[in-house]
Formats: sequence, structure tokens, C-alpha cells
Amino acid sequence: EPEVTQTPSHQVTQMGQEVILRCVPISNHLYFYWYRQILGQKVEFLVSFYNNEISEKSEIFDDQFSVERPDGSNFTLKIRSTKLEDSAMYFCASSEGPYAGTDTQYFGPGTRLTVL
Amino acid sequence: DAKTTQPNSMESNEEEPVHLPCNHSTISGTDYIHWYRQLPSQGPEYVIHGLTSNVNNRMASLAIAEDRKSSTLILHRATLRDAAVYYCILRDGQGGSEKLVFGKGTKLTVNP
Repeated sequence: EPEVTQTPSHQVTQMGQEVILRCVPISNHLYFYWYRQILGQKVEFLVSFYNNEISEKSEIFDDQFSVERPDGSNFTLKIRSTKLEDSAMYFCASSEGPYAGTDTQYFGPGTRLTVL
Repeated sequence: DAKTTQPNSMESNEEEPVHLPCNHSTISGTDYIHWYRQLPSQGPEYVIHGLTSNVNNRMASLAIAEDRKSSTLILHRATLRDAAVYYCILRDGQGGSEKLVFGKGTKLTVNP
């Protein structure tokens, strides 16, 4: 069964450093997402991406964050200058789209980001 | 997004049925009811969704009240692998947001 993959599984970085989290969505999917989950808290939506542009973003997704689909398979989340509070599990998801009512999102296993 | 209410936790024994309730009294006519679950240390996983009629798939069944103000996810025979946090999420089927809005969900414990 096709699945979403994410690399690395764990990323440790120093505060102020840039990190790039990588995802390979399911190949025929058109919609891509990033969510995050701070330890012990709810899963939070960050951004959705369709047709090479952001279609929706949350207030968490500020200027420090950016997303890109650099080629036909990868989908990346960049955090320009990491803060301690960015430490979380980051999940990538993809879906066929576009009908939100019945659309299913498939999640990757996540990247645990630790900011020291 | 319309709000859902779920119990914080439930407990079940292995191989017994589990009924996970969800209240959504402010649901609109175009809202679909989705269920996802999150196993420990994993990403969320789709379980099932429905609009008005009861639905079955290989993982679970979804029973939707006639007035659609509540629904129940049914695991017919719980296994240890079903221990997870289960989320009931409403999604607008008429031009609604693409994002999933997760609440705290119900943490299901399955006893051997």
C-alpha cells in the first residue's frame, strides 16, 4: 500500500539554525499538508499546499516557515531560525483532493524536531 | 469548524466490541463525520467517514444518529493494536477547509 515517508525521523538542532524537513507524499496525490504536535498536545494544522502554492495556512505558520515542492516527489518544510518552542513532532500528509468532505489525508510517521 | 465532544478516555478488553461516542450537536447539513486515530508514536491514520447513513469498512463501523447530532465508532473486536487516541472530526463537504482540526480525542486502552 502506498505511504507517505518522512526524513529524517529525528532532527536535533541549535536554536537559531535553519532546518529542512522532508516528505515524499503518495505519488498520485495533489494536496499536501504539514501538521505539528508538541509533546502531550493536540495535532495542529500548519499549512496546505496545492498546485505549487499555499492554499491555506494557520497563524502558527509565520514568516519563519516556508514550504516547497522542489521536484516531482518531495515536499519540504523549512524553518529559517528555529526557536525552542518549535520542538515538536512534524507530520506530513497528502490527499487526492479536492473534495474536503470525503477526502482522506494520509499521514507520514513524522519527524521529531528537537531544538536545543 | 463545528465542534465535537468526546470522552477523554475509555477502556476495553481484548476481543470485545468497543463503542466510541462523539457528540456534534451543531453539525451542519453538509458536514461529514470523519474518524482518525493515532497509535502511540505514529502519525494520525484515517479510520472511516460518513454523512448520514451508517458505514462499514475493514477497520470499523460508523453509526450516525438520525438527527446527526451524535455518532459512534464501533470496533467490533478490539485488539491490543487498537490502543490509540481516536479523533472525531467534522469536515464541511461544501467548499470547506482542507485542514483537519484535531481535538483531544478519546484515548482507548485495550486490556489483554
